[in-house]
Amino acid sequence: AQSVSQHNHHVILSEAASLELGCNYSYGGTVNLFWYVQYPGQHLQLLLKYFSGDPLVKGIKGFEAEFIKSKFSFNLRKPSVQWSDTAEYFCAVTPADRGSTLGRLYFGRGTQLTVWP
Amino acid sequence: DGGITQSPKYLFRKEGQNVTLSCEQNLNHDAMYWYRQDPGQGLRLIYYSQIVNDFQKGDIAEGYSVSREKKESFPLTVTSAQKNPTAFYLCASSIGQGSDGYTFGSGTRLTVV
Repeated sequence: AQSVSQHNHHVILSEAASLELGCNYSYGGTVNLFWYVQYPGQHLQLLLKYFSGDPLVKGIKGFEAEFIKSKFSFNLRKPSVQWSDTAEYFCAVTPADRGSTLGRLYFGRGTQLTVWP
Repeated sequence: DGGITQSPKYLFRKEGQNVTLSCEQNLNHDAMYWYRQDPGQGLRLIYYSQIVNDFQKGDIAEGYSVSREKKESFPLTVTSAQKNPTAFYLCASSIGQGSDGYTFGSGTRLTVV
């Protein structure tokens, strides 16, 4: 079965610090990749996604992620975090090979980001 | 606005009782999903349904049941057989088979008292 690993369970940063959250997956075929964010008391929202093309994808609120196929990674980055970025972040992967019977999402365990003002 | 509605937002259940969580979507999505979210464990798939009148077990289906009689609705029943039902439950839907990502509901927090 596919698995998604998020290396950091809890990250604490000061405002204006740079952010990188790691995500690795264990599927050898073609994949679609996602980062979701869950702000306190809110539902999960899509932050960004990668299907094909430029491996550096830009999402909302200044976030970006880079797909490195050789490393099976899809790390999330932001050059300068804000207090309002405090949230839980989930990486998710779905197989996208031609003939895949189900594009279910496999989620990592999540990374809680706390940003101090 | 199109979206997914989960109700109730908070639910309390006595041990030994069954309880049903509602999930309705007006996005005309084919597929619907139920996830359970526990601290430090991420989202775990309980059941999913790709079309009406069909559904499949996910990774942690024991103690749960679902139905998909209408495209818009995918209720989840937490039965008395579920040994640790206190959790946050998320419903999601997707166009087709989910390869384009999900739209999530706001969740139901179930507490067994």
